[in-house]
Amino acid sequence: GAGVSQTPSNKVTEKGKYVELRCDPISGHTALYWYRQSLGQGPEFLIYFQGTGAADDSGLPNDRFFAVRPEGSVSTLKIQRTERGDSAVYLCASSLRPGANSYNEQFFGPGTRLTVL
Amino acid sequence: RKEVEQDPGPFNVPEGATVAFNCTYSNSASQSFFWYRQDCRKEPKLLMSVYSSGNEDGRFTAQLNRASQYISLLIRDSKLSDSATYLCVVNGNAGGTSYGKLTFGQGTILTVHP
Repeated sequence: GAGVSQTPSNKVTEKGKYVELRCDPISGHTALYWYRQSLGQGPEFLIYFQGTGAADDSGLPNDRFFAVRPEGSVSTLKIQRTERGDSAVYLCASSLRPGANSYNEQFFGPGTRLTVL
Repeated sequence: RKEVEQDPGPFNVPEGATVAFNCTYSNSASQSFFWYRQDCRKEPKLLMSVYSSGNEDGRFTAQLNRASQYISLLIRDSKLSDSATYLCVVNGNAGGTSYGKLTFGQGTILTVHP
């Protein structure tokens, strides 16, 4: 079946611009996660949704970052007034149910590579 | 101090070698532990979960020591295709609303050469 998909695969923008990154989770997965991965580092948690609501947004670095999942499926990560330090690969993952255990694997999408010039 | 610490390597080993990676974590309340594999410019993929009793999957063996907050991965008979970054991962919180959060180590780079 189809895995997690993310669009665009690459996004180049200028400092100060607004960007939206989209994630389509695996059909039927109720939990959706956003992570950010900088070069040479492991992914860093940003936010996680259970259904339509953000269950934990503790990883969002500041109020320029916002994410929504209005119908409990597709999610959009929004970044306002982008800065060069926002450049990274933004990864989305989904799981059948919330939680991180041996029976509830998080499946990752291919990521969106964001470059802020 | 990082929540999950790994030696970034790189580890360069010949085919057929045995190689071991180690990882320590700081949150004693963590409940679930994993090794993920990430190929260059690809997404992370679950390699295996790690259980307290230790577990094996083919050439891969994972160990967990809760008392020392230490996780290991052993790869026997290395193949060229094992070349990748190996990420040590723990779940972020023991309970509450955040138990879906994965915390990743920096990753250990492995290159297996002929």
